[in-house]
Amino acid sequence: EPEVTQTPSHQVTQMGQEVILRCVPISNHLYFYWYRQILGQKVEFLVSFYNNEISEKSEIFDDQFSVERPDGSNFTLKIRSTKLEDSAMYFCASIKGGTNVLTFGAGSRLTVL
Amino acid sequence: AQSVTQLDSQVPVFEEAPVELRCNYSSSVSVYLFWYVQYPNQGLQLLLKYLSGSTLVKGINGFEAEFNKSQTSFHLRKPSVHISDTAEYFCAPSSNNNNDMRFGAGTRLTVKP
Repeated sequence: EPEVTQTPSHQVTQMGQEVILRCVPISNHLYFYWYRQILGQKVEFLVSFYNNEISEKSEIFDDQFSVERPDGSNFTLKIRSTKLEDSAMYFCASIKGGTNVLTFGAGSRLTVL
Repeated sequence: AQSVTQLDSQVPVFEEAPVELRCNYSSSVSVYLFWYVQYPNQGLQLLLKYLSGSTLVKGINGFEAEFNKSQTSFHLRKPSVHISDTAEYFCAPSSNNNNDMRFGAGTRLTVKP
């Protein structure tokens, strides 16, 4: 069964450093998402992406965050200057379109020291 | 975006007992409803979904949920739980809009021997 693949599975970084989290959505999917889950808390929506542009973003997704799909395959989340509170599990998800069923990746755990 | 309330943050039960995890959503438009499960240290996995048709939907691992439009509820049930059902369960409604799936705070189900 097709999967959403995320790398790295775990990244440790120093505060202030840039981080890029990568996702390979399912190949025929059209809508892409990033969600965040701080340890022990709920899953929070960050951003949705369709037709090579952001469709919607939450208040969490401030100027420190950016997304892009540089090569039609990868879907990346960049955090420009990480803060301690960015430590979380980041989940990528995609939808084929017309199904409303999100398929999630296994997540990337970010630890900011 | 949809609003969702999971009424119980934690549900401890003994093995082979029945369980119900409650979910209420707020919506004035057509709604799709999902339950996702997150096993310890893993990503989110679709448990079941309601898109249309029969209000009683069956999912994986013996779980089922009933869509009740008048009560705006989508409670998750299992007649007899197993130790392996210990996980976090998230209710997630969305409308006919691929951007607005939001997750409840989650219910931690702990099955004890």
